[in-house]
Amino acid sequence: AQKITQTQPGMFVQEKEAVTLDCTYDTSDPSYGLFWYKQPSSGEMIFLIYQGSYDQQNATEGRYSLNFQKARKSANLVISASQLGDSAMYFCAMRGASGAGSYQLTFGKGTKLSVIP
Amino acid sequence: EAGVAQSPRYKIIEKRQSVAFWCNPISGHATLYWYQQILGQGPKLLIQFQNNGVVDDSQLPKDRFSAERLKGVDSTLKIQPAKLEDSAVYLCASSFTTVASYNEQFFGPGTRLTVL
Repeated sequence: AQKITQTQPGMFVQEKEAVTLDCTYDTSDPSYGLFWYKQPSSGEMIFLIYQGSYDQQNATEGRYSLNFQKARKSANLVISASQLGDSAMYFCAMRGASGAGSYQLTFGKGTKLSVIP
Repeated sequence: EAGVAQSPRYKIIEKRQSVAFWCNPISGHATLYWYQQILGQGPKLLIQFQNNGVVDDSQLPKDRFSAERLKGVDSTLKIQPAKLEDSAVYLCASSFTTVASYNEQFFGPGTRLTVL
């Protein structure tokens, strides 16, 4: 069974500062992928960044970077130069094989980020 | 390209009534997912289709929930009869294929269901 844990229900960050959102995971699969999604108040899930379990380098996408520490089973999201539009829920998710032979996403409970002007 | 479309965006019903949600995935996407997101939680997969076949419905409450994907394109999720605990946002997502290691799912705007 796969599990994603996000221990920060809410976070505050000053505009233009960097913030780290924590994510730890548990899986017995040797091959898996880790995703971060942003969910604004409008409700749509927006893909931010992906890290494969065999990727040698940490993923980066613009202001987003993923601090992947495989031995510690953590995949923290770092947002640099926070903007007011970054205020939203952030979900960490893991892609792995399901018991039915397909691939699925398992989501954490999310972290609500509030950017302060 | 057009994103994942869902309708309706909002629905309010009384318990024991039935309700249906519609999803149109991104053109060419073979895999379609329905998720249930209860307030304060992350999305939970209900059912996964590959083309018009069910790949996984292990978390679908089959006594009251049903879903179909005729012709491998649009999909409908139905709840009959609804219970209070079904109040949630129902998200539809699609992806090109499940086979690739990088399986980005594209989500629709969701349908917010309130059961009174």
